[in-house]
Amino acid sequence: DAGVTQSPTHLIKTRGQHVTLRCSPISGHKSVSWYQQVLGQGPQFIFQYYEKEERGRGNFPDRFSARQFPNYSSELNVNALLLGDSALYLCASSRTSGGFSYEQYFGPGTRLTVT
Amino acid sequence: DAKTTQPNSMESNEEEPVHLPCNHSTISGTDYIHWYRQLPSQGPEYVIHGLTSNVNNRMASLAIAEDRKSSTLILHRATLRDAAVYYCILRDPGNQFYFGTGTSLTVIP
Repeated sequence: DAGVTQSPTHLIKTRGQHVTLRCSPISGHKSVSWYQQVLGQGPQFIFQYYEKEERGRGNFPDRFSARQFPNYSSELNVNALLLGDSALYLCASSRTSGGFSYEQYFGPGTRLTVT
Repeated sequence: DAKTTQPNSMESNEEEPVHLPCNHSTISGTDYIHWYRQLPSQGPEYVIHGLTSNVNNRMASLAIAEDRKSSTLILHRATLRDAAVYYCILRDPGNQFYFGTGTSLTVIP
């Protein structure tokens, strides 16, 4: 079975622009989470979606938004890009949003560079 | 908020056991303890998780202190492929994962 896929793999944008990152979860997984990983740090939670509804939001500004589609794929949108948004953006899928114990499966990430 | 504390780096000789410690003194009764590892240029990979009891799987063992304020990931025989950053994570009832800065494990041949 295919793992979590993300597109694009790399992206270069300039300050003030908008970006859309895409994620396809593992087949059968209904929950998708997004993380931002700045170089040298651990991933920081941005959003979690389950059955197309937002189930969790991290401490990120409103410039960050996301949505989940009927096929459980997801998009992360970032408006008015800042230099500090340069990071690896990771998507993770899991079978459910609850149950607390289900592990998450991470994609390879999208490397965003803002110049 | 820093929910877990880990040493920045550790070294181990190949084929020897490795004990990776983690402190989570503010853990709540419903927080699960998860361990993930991240190899260079890859997304994090699930290793093991637990709530109260010690856990074993094919990759590792997880020893959880009786008061749950600390835990230890045990790799029974380190291989070169185990060189990675290991994250100790608390997962709260809101399903949020709180990653720390992790422990960078170097395996010496």
